[in-house]
Amino acid sequence: AQSVAQPEDQVNVAEGNPLTVKCTYSVSGNPYLFWYVQYPNRGLQFLLKYITGDNLVKGSYGFEAEFNKSQTSFHLKKPSALVSDSALYFCAVTMFSGGYNKLIFGAGTRLAVHP
Amino acid sequence: EAQVTQNPRYLITVTGKKLTVTCSQNMNHEYMSWYRQDPGLGLRQIYYSMNVEVTDKGDVPEGYKVSRKEKRNFPLILESPSPNQTSLYFCASSLSIWTRDANEQFFGPGTRLTVL
Repeated sequence: AQSVAQPEDQVNVAEGNPLTVKCTYSVSGNPYLFWYVQYPNRGLQFLLKYITGDNLVKGSYGFEAEFNKSQTSFHLKKPSALVSDSALYFCAVTMFSGGYNKLIFGAGTRLAVHP
Repeated sequence: EAQVTQNPRYLITVTGKKLTVTCSQNMNHEYMSWYRQDPGLGLRQIYYSMNVEVTDKGDVPEGYKVSRKEKRNFPLILESPSPNQTSLYFCASSLSIWTRDANEQFFGPGTRLTVL
């Protein structure tokens, strides 16, 4: 079955430390991969995407993600966390169905950055 | 400003009382979709629309209806709401979602619905 796993419900990081939010997927073919962020009382905002090419993708707010095909992972990273990065993060993967893309979302990981 | 708007943002209603949540986008996007977000389940797709007058079921369509009479609007209708439809609902749009494209989706601010 097609699926996306975010193995950690919550990640706690001290401000200034590097952060990683994990995502693995099980989708056939070569999917497109996305990260979205949800701040309190807001909709999801697009952070970055991987389509093809360089395995390290840079996105908004200093975030980047590393695609690893052999491990079917797409972990989100940031070298130095900010308190304002505290939010809910969703990994999403496209499933190609009938000529169009269908997004499959992970359950989300809550990132808490402490001063 | 390019955006997806939803109304109302918060709604408390009772079982069986029909309601509509509106969604509008000003980006001339072809594709629109409704999701519900529940703790531990992420976002699950309810219905989607590839273009005007073209709609189809997502993963959890039971108890919902949609229509797409204009490109910019995609209302979600609950004919007879039940408590298990208490959730956070998001509307989203995208330029297109054909396989050759990799367009991200733009999300509305969400509608928190409580059905008593």
